[in-house]
Amino acid sequence: DSGVTQTPKHLITATGQRVTLRCSPRSGDLSVYWYQQSLDQGLQFLIHYYNGEERAKGNILERFSAQQFPDLHSELNLSSLELGDSALYFCASSVTSGGYTGELFFGEGSRLTVL
Amino acid sequence: GENVEQHPSTLSVQEGDSAVIKCTYSDSASNYFPWYKQELGKRPQLIIDIRSNVGEKKDQRIAVTLNKTAKHFSLHITETQPEDSAVYFCAASMGTGTASKLTFGTGTRLQVTL
Repeated sequence: DSGVTQTPKHLITATGQRVTLRCSPRSGDLSVYWYQQSLDQGLQFLIHYYNGEERAKGNILERFSAQQFPDLHSELNLSSLELGDSALYFCASSVTSGGYTGELFFGEGSRLTVL
Repeated sequence: GENVEQHPSTLSVQEGDSAVIKCTYSDSASNYFPWYKQELGKRPQLIIDIRSNVGEKKDQRIAVTLNKTAKHFSLHITETQPEDSAVYFCAASMGTGTASKLTFGTGTRLQVTL
């Protein structure tokens, strides 16, 4: 158990719909990262939040948005869903010192299926 | 932005042999290079990492080397065992810990056969 909690574990929805994925980081971790992993694909970096602020952005679609709340949990919102958005979405948290990126602790992922 | 290339995409070795996975990165500002292992249906987990001020690091059967000049780093697994079978991802990160972008390679599926 990494200490990172993601909900829901599985989600099936239709094209055009909107979903929200939730992540609770490990206690004390200020950094939250979101990654997308499509079937047999690598981990695509979406976004990094640190203590409530967006700090780095990857190839995140405009239909996707995220935020980190004062209690440090984070949500990833996916709207106008397309078939190609079907993937495993990982959240990871990190202690994060001021110098280097620390070890990322991944949650179990939220598997999104768009029909 | 940073681009990380990883080779090979699949690797099959016999138990007891060594396995080597290689990665190259594009941005010379990258300063942190971790390796993650993802077993089937599970989450990625860190197995070893190296920072830009170090050339080599070893942890039991696993070692990582970094060549900053050539912008490449490698994972070496010796005396492979069946439980080493998994997908391995290299990654490169630039920026500080509070504003970092960790870019992963496309992964190497390692199969250790008996």
